[in-house]
Amino acid sequence: SQTIHQWPATLVQPVGSPLSLECTVEGTSNPNLYWYRQAAGRGLQLLFYSVGIGQISSEVPQNLSASRPQDRQFILSSKKLLLSDSGFYLCAWSVPGASGNTIYFGEGSWLTVV
Amino acid sequence: LAKTTQPISMDSYEGQEVNITCSHNNIATNDYITWYQQFPSQGPRFIIQGYKTKVTNEVASLFIPADRKSSTLSLPRVSLSDTAVYYCLVGDGLYSSASKIIFGSGTRLSIRP
Repeated sequence: SQTIHQWPATLVQPVGSPLSLECTVEGTSNPNLYWYRQAAGRGLQLLFYSVGIGQISSEVPQNLSASRPQDRQFILSSKKLLLSDSGFYLCAWSVPGASGNTIYFGEGSWLTVV
Repeated sequence: LAKTTQPISMDSYEGQEVNITCSHNNIATNDYITWYQQFPSQGPRFIIQGYKTKVTNEVASLFIPADRKSSTLSLPRVSLSDTAVYYCLVGDGLYSSASKIIFGSGTRLSIRP
């Protein structure tokens, strides 16, 4: 069966420090991968999605970046965090070509920028 | 992806049936309708998916009228644990453009004793 893992689960970082969140998917090949952010009490904001290795689409201009160095690995990074980067970050995957919008989420990572 | 509209919030009581309606006037022929449930500090979880008429599983039922311009998620006999945000998504995963899966604001359902 397919599983998705992301880490770390919680993170407290000072303003201006770098960020690296990592996500891996097991049990499937060539998945579509996604990074979402959710501010407290708000909806899900799509940040990046990827349909293959090295193929990253950015949805929102920001100081974040994403990379997909391997088929089932998706990394969210920042060189210098802002206070506004605080939130709940979710990695997700879906099956390319599958009917409908079935997407599977990881456990999430809470980021607090102080 | 077709745009969806759903109520921002709903309240109900334990044991009641709850129906959440989603409008998607611009739904395309190949689009499916998918509902997700999200608890605090967790990612959304797939509940049910349908194309037309009625779909039922162990968690919920999904009613889709013939014109497919709306859909209704029905939760039978809700409990306090059904308090969550419910998202309606409409789209088709067969084309690369559908790889961009965007969630709307969802419906915040609150269940009271």
